[in-house]
Amino acid sequence: SQTIHQWPATLVQPVGSPLSLECTVEGTSNPNLYWYRQAAGRGLQLLFYSVGIGQISSEVPQNLSASRPQDRQFILSSKKLLLSDSGFYLCAWTPGYSYEQYFGPGTRLTVT
Amino acid sequence: AQKITQTQPGMFVQEKEAVTLDCTYDTSDPSYGLFWYKQPSSGEMIFLIYQGSYDQQNATEGRYSLNFQKARKSANLVISASQLGDSAMYFCAMNRGGGSNYKLTFGKGTLLTVNP
Repeated sequence: SQTIHQWPATLVQPVGSPLSLECTVEGTSNPNLYWYRQAAGRGLQLLFYSVGIGQISSEVPQNLSASRPQDRQFILSSKKLLLSDSGFYLCAWTPGYSYEQYFGPGTRLTVT
Repeated sequence: AQKITQTQPGMFVQEKEAVTLDCTYDTSDPSYGLFWYKQPSSGEMIFLIYQGSYDQQNATEGRYSLNFQKARKSANLVISASQLGDSAMYFCAMNRGGGSNYKLTFGKGTLLTVNP
């Protein structure tokens, strides 16, 4: 069966520090991968998606970036965090042939 | 652009009763999918049910059913026989069908509280 992992689970970082969040999927190949952010008490906002290695599409211009160095690995990064980057970051995947989107456990980021 | 509207910030229901969570959507795409997700306090997003825009029948999954009214652009979630464990945030979402990207647009959610 397929499993999606995210780490770290929680993170507290000062303003201006770098960020790296990792997402990996097991048990499948060539998934579509997504990064979402959920601000406190709000719905999810799509940040990036990827349909293959090295293929990244950005939905919202900001100081975040994403990379997909391997088929089942998706990384969210920032060179300098802002207070507004605080939130709950969720990684998700779909099989290339299916509409169902499955989410990881999330990373709760607090920028201080 | 696609838009999802959930007008109920919070809902209360007695245990064992049915509850309907409202969702309306706006899209110009002829092909699309509608989803409901549950988010407990732990934060994980749990897929509940899916309805395709061309599906003739309303989707059902156990105690969950989706009341799809295409002309009204509504996709309400009905939970029958509510349980205490149903207390959570519920999100309606949609994607653009016919492509391989399957990007989801989410509503702001409804917080459901089930009272004993």
